[in-house]
Parts: sequence; C-alpha cells; structure tokens
Amino acid sequence: AQTVTQSQPEMSVQEAETVTLSCTYDTSESDYYLFWYKQPPSRQMILVIRQEAYKQQNATENRFSVNFQKAAKSFSLKISDSQLGDAAMYFCAYRTGYSTLTFGKGTMLLVSP
Amino acid sequence: EAQVTQNPRYLITVTGKKLTVTCSQNMNHEYMSWYRQDPGLGLRQIYYSMNVEVTDKGDVPEGYKVSRKEKRNFPLILESPSPNQTSLYFCASRPTGLGTEAFFGQGTRLTVV
Repeated sequence: AQTVTQSQPEMSVQEAETVTLSCTYDTSESDYYLFWYKQPPSRQMILVIRQEAYKQQNATENRFSVNFQKAAKSFSLKISDSQLGDAAMYFCAYRTGYSTLTFGKGTMLLVSP
Repeated sequence: EAQVTQNPRYLITVTGKKLTVTCSQNMNHEYMSWYRQDPGLGLRQIYYSMNVEVTDKGDVPEGYKVSRKEKRNFPLILESPSPNQTSLYFCASRPTGLGTEAFFGQGTRLTVV
C-alpha cells in the first residue's frame, strides 16, 4: 500500500522568508503524480502544485516550487517570499493509475509578520 | 461555475439515526470520491467511484455506504451513525487521467452525539 509521510506537524516562518515543507512517500509504481494541497481556515482544499514522476524538472508555480527526488521518494514544497495568506494546513498527496489520492497527515504552516 | 456541492455544510445528529450527505458535481467528471478528515490523521478515503454504477471501498469504508446512479451525484449514507464517525467529510471529483486535478466540495462537519 502507498503511504505518504509528512514529518513536520507544524512549521513557522516570518513574512518574506522562505520555508520548506517535507514529504516522503512509499510506492513500487513507476508512473504516478504527486500533489501539494493547501487548506486555509475556510476548509477549502486548494491545489498548489503537481509533479509527474516521469518529469525530471521540478514543478514551479509562482512562489511555490518543489524539490522532487525520485530515487529518495521525496517531494518537498518550498514557499518563497512567504505571505500572511500562506498560513494554512498543507497536505502532500500521491496518486497512481486508477487510484484516488493518498494524503499525508498534513503540516500546519504559521506565518508571522 | 464549475463546482462540487456538498450538503449540508454542518450536521449534528444522534447515534443510530440514518443520514445522507449529498454530493453533486457539474463538470461531467468520471471519478468521484469521499474522504474524512480527522486531526492528526489527514484525509482518508472512504469510498470512490470510477463511473456510474462502479464503486469501490477506500481505506476506511466501515459504517458507510455510497451509490452512483447518476454521473453527477455521489451521496454518502450513514445507516446507523456512531460517535466515532464525527468528522469533517469531503467529496471530490476529477476527470479521467493520471494527473488531472481533483476538485473538492466545501466539506461537511458532522457531529454524532
């Protein structure tokens, strides 16, 4: 069974600084997708970024980028120039084939002025 | 507007009283799924459906039922709710394709007393 591990229950960052959220996963599949979702206090689940396992180039979406290390099964999220609006729970997730998403337990990101 | 709609948003019920949480999507998506979110556990999949009349168990299906009679609707049924089903529930849908984005409903906060 696939598992996704987020080892940091909570992280803190100051505005304008950079923070990295960690995620590791376990799979025997060769083709899969990895996702980072953001859940602000409104509870809405918002897709932040996605990465296909076959692509070596790390995905980037504005201030959000990933460090995808396929051999190490690691998929960290870097948030640059952190903003107060980035404060949220962040979930790493994995999907392969016909399966649905398998989520990690989440990392709560706190942003201070 | 493309969306996944869950109802109700909040529900307090008593042990043993059957209830249904509705989920509807207007994007003609094939895949639909239900998750429950609990503190410290992330989101865990309850059931999913790959198309009309095709459903399968997720990681935590005990105590839940689903049906997919129409493509747009995927209700979650609790025949005899118990307090351990107190949770935040999310419905999600997505089109066919490994890397497609999953769209989430607004969530249903269920309390069973």
